[in-house]
Amino acid sequence: DIQMTQSPSSLSTSVGDRVTITCRASQSISTFLNWYQQKPGKAPKLLIYAASSLQSGVPSRFSGSGSGTDFTLTISSLQPEDFATYYCQHSYNTPYSFGQGTRLEIK
Amino acid sequence: QVTLKESGPALVKPTQTLTLTCTFSGFSLNTNGMRVNWIRQAPGKALEWLARIDWDDDKFYSPSLQTRLTISKDTSKNQVVLTMTYMDPVDTATYFCARLRNGGHMDFWGQGILVTISS
Repeated sequence: DIQMTQSPSSLSTSVGDRVTITCRASQSISTFLNWYQQKPGKAPKLLIYAASSLQSGVPSRFSGSGSGTDFTLTISSLQPEDFATYYCQHSYNTPYSFGQGTRLEIK
Repeated sequence: QVTLKESGPALVKPTQTLTLTCTFSGFSLNTNGMRVNWIRQAPGKALEWLARIDWDDDKFYSPSLQTRLTISKDTSKNQVVLTMTYMDPVDTATYFCARLRNGGHMDFWGQGILVTISS
């Protein structure tokens, strides 16, 4: 099974900051990597699929990159509504798996 | 528009079987390429993928839970059902269903249902 490791696990940030979250797969997954945002008590929301494709309706300040084993999610200028937990997920094969999450906190 | 909603019991006793239903609209599981899967999240923990069912009735399970899980679909009712046997307090979690697209990304999610395992 493929394991996903995110870093950092939490990040104290401010509105306007540029934020980068990384995700590493335990083996090559090409670009079968997706990113989700989750707010407390809510379902996850798809942000990025296939490593770098922006889901419809998601602001352009979110971007994704990477292939193989190393991936990044970047938020170019953090907005108040972006304080949440972010998860990566591989979809290379089943069983799918998620990273442990990165929680963005207000500094 | 696409919607999904989970339903089932909020409280289950240890050793009992949990049955959850995902009722969806805005797409059909008869359509080539459509898939639905179940994911859970224990309180304060990360997301855990459980099972997937495809338009052609192919089924896939988490290896660690495979012996306890069964996923099925009723396309006439637009429903996907997940059963999990021998429930334990560690199975306490919010259970989500989500539509899965080609490429494996989950583009629409239900609101989730919190299931507590306790005697």
